[in-house]
Amino acid sequence: GAVVSQHPSWVICKSGTSVKIECRSLDFQATTMFWYRQFPKQSLMLMATSNEGSKATYEQGVEKDKFLINHASLTLSTLTVTSAHPEDSSFYICSAYNWDSTDTQYFGPGTRLTVL
Amino acid sequence: SQQGEEDPQALSIQEGENATMNCSYKTSINNLQWYRQNSGRGLVHLILIRSNEREKHSGRLRVTLDTSKKSSSLLITASRAADTASYFCATDLGWGKLQFGAGTQVVVTP
Repeated sequence: GAVVSQHPSWVICKSGTSVKIECRSLDFQATTMFWYRQFPKQSLMLMATSNEGSKATYEQGVEKDKFLINHASLTLSTLTVTSAHPEDSSFYICSAYNWDSTDTQYFGPGTRLTVL
Repeated sequence: SQQGEEDPQALSIQEGENATMNCSYKTSINNLQWYRQNSGRGLVHLILIRSNEREKHSGRLRVTLDTSKKSSSLLITASRAADTASYFCATDLGWGKLQFGAGTQVVVTP
């Protein structure tokens, strides 16, 4: 299957700082990338849908000004957690999808964010 | 909110036994997918079953889908210690948008 990478794999930051997470599809073009958040021992919660060249669509309850998403190319989407607080500590996972060619999404390995 | 509800929440079995977990959902779907997640890792896609399919096999995995009951089951036969993981069902609501169930944590002891 296709490969999706995330960088960094883990990050620790101080409260109030911003953190950028990258999601790259390495061997296919992703028309859409999704961002999920997963708290310990819980399921994945969809945060937003990111389409190349257009604004991201956020799920209810997700602050768009706090979680900035940019999908500048068909192989790269970034999630920036702005003014991070301890409650933002979580496992962030992206997935890449090409609606034109497959029903399968390919998930990145995730990024563990810890805000002190 | 979570679309899918899974049961059991946790399952502990011995190697060689079969593991069955169920998933229920609420709305119409294009397809239903099952994923595995090892602790602290990303998701691995296991199998996809379309809304017009009733059963699908992949190796030791067997998935059923009953759209009239809005439910699906995942059977892992002859389990191995390496099958220890969390298993999630996810319903595709269209255009790749997935909603995940709560997950079943499976522990396989040697």
